[in-house]
Amino acid sequence: EVHLVESGGDLVQPGGSLKLSCEASGFTFSQYWMAWVRQSPGTGLECLALINSDGSDKYYPDSMQGRFTISRDNTKNSLYLQMNNLRADDTAVYYCARDVKWGMFDSWGQGTLVTVSS
Amino acid sequence: DIVMTQTPLSLSVTPGQPASISCKSSQSLLHSDGRTYLHWFLQRPGQPPHLLISEVSSRFSGVPDRFTGSGSGTDFTLRISRVEAEDAAIYYCMQGLFFRTFGQGTKVEIK
Repeated sequence: EVHLVESGGDLVQPGGSLKLSCEASGFTFSQYWMAWVRQSPGTGLECLALINSDGSDKYYPDSMQGRFTISRDNTKNSLYLQMNNLRADDTAVYYCARDVKWGMFDSWGQGTLVTVSS
Repeated sequence: DIVMTQTPLSLSVTPGQPASISCKSSQSLLHSDGRTYLHWFLQRPGQPPHLLISEVSSRFSGVPDRFTGSGSGTDFTLRISRVEAEDAAIYYCMQGLFFRTFGQGTKVEIK
């Protein structure tokens, strides 16, 4: 069974940094693209970053402005999201998801909460 | 950037009645490989989203056949033939051709 577990969410001050992790199990992690998706309180879903199976290609929406960096370690079956210069509007639940192909997010973690506040 | 527009944003449905959600994209989602990368997700309160339908009309594993996806190009529809209580959720369409972009979501309430 596919299992994704996010961790690293915390309360952080504006301007601070945080690194989220997603540990994968139940499938051959190195064969799949992965994604980070967030959901701000009471709002919809936003895809933040994609990474291909070997980590050589990374994709972000223009709106991220280079503050977030996705990475992975296939030896540890782990996905990461480095977030810098955090703002109040980055407060959200952050999910990792397996991207089977072209956005077919067939498995999601339970999410980790990031709160940006002074 | 691709914009995904869902309508309505909410609807209230009597059990046993049908429901329909529209999703329109600002650009065609038809890839040169002939496939259209438009997917539907469902999110119940307090839960992560989960995949409902992929590539316009393919039901994901375990999804009841009362859920049907259709459409092409820029216009897509999710239909529930006979709504059940467990269908109360927020439904999102998402395009996978140009990065990944979700619609705003449609909240389905059961009367």
